[in-house]
Amino acid sequence: GQQLNQSPQSMFIQEGEDVSMNCTSSSIFNTWLWYKQDPGEGPVLLIALYKAGELTSNGRLTAQFGITRKDSFLNISASIPSDVGIYFCAGRGAGGTSYGKLTFGQGTILTVHP
Amino acid sequence: NAGVTQTPKFRILKIGQSMTLQCTQDMNHNYMYWYRQDPGMGLKLIYYSVGAGITDKGEVPNGYNVSRSTTEDFPLRLELAAPSQTSVYFCASSPGLGLSDTQYFGPGTRLTVL
Repeated sequence: GQQLNQSPQSMFIQEGEDVSMNCTSSSIFNTWLWYKQDPGEGPVLLIALYKAGELTSNGRLTAQFGITRKDSFLNISASIPSDVGIYFCAGRGAGGTSYGKLTFGQGTILTVHP
Repeated sequence: NAGVTQTPKFRILKIGQSMTLQCTQDMNHNYMYWYRQDPGMGLKLIYYSVGAGITDKGEVPNGYNVSRSTTEDFPLRLELAAPSQTSVYFCASSPGLGLSDTQYFGPGTRLTVL
């Protein structure tokens, strides 16, 4: 099946620092999504990317859909304590039997020290 | 709108017991999904449904069953609980809009099998 490798697995940063994380895939995706999960909650969608090379922002968050369609990046600028949580990338395949279904990365655990 | 609701929030089962995890969505979404989340492993798809009366296996279906008799409800059944099924279970739904489809997650059910 499709594999997504997400890195880093965890990050410990100071408030105000910028954060970068990425996902790479063994196969091509048509859609890349970034989710955030707060403790005890389900994942919530942050950013969706639909075209290779696309760069999309949502407040302090910026994500990019890699040109090869096998990777994606998420950056968080000027981190604040409420950025704490687990960040997941997810990819949607090219269609056929994978249509609609997502493959998730392992998650990046972000800790922000005040 | 309540979105996606799941019950129970927590449950402890003994080996060999059975139970049903409930999931309901009030967004009139066609697609519904069940995932399990294990530490450091991201989310794995168990089963999904593209409409009432239609279900299909995901990546890790063994030990589980589902049914979809209505658009709103998508229960997940564990027949003979095993310790390997200790996990956090998330239900999600989406309208089924192709590449721009967005999955909305419930708050999760934390299951422990002893």
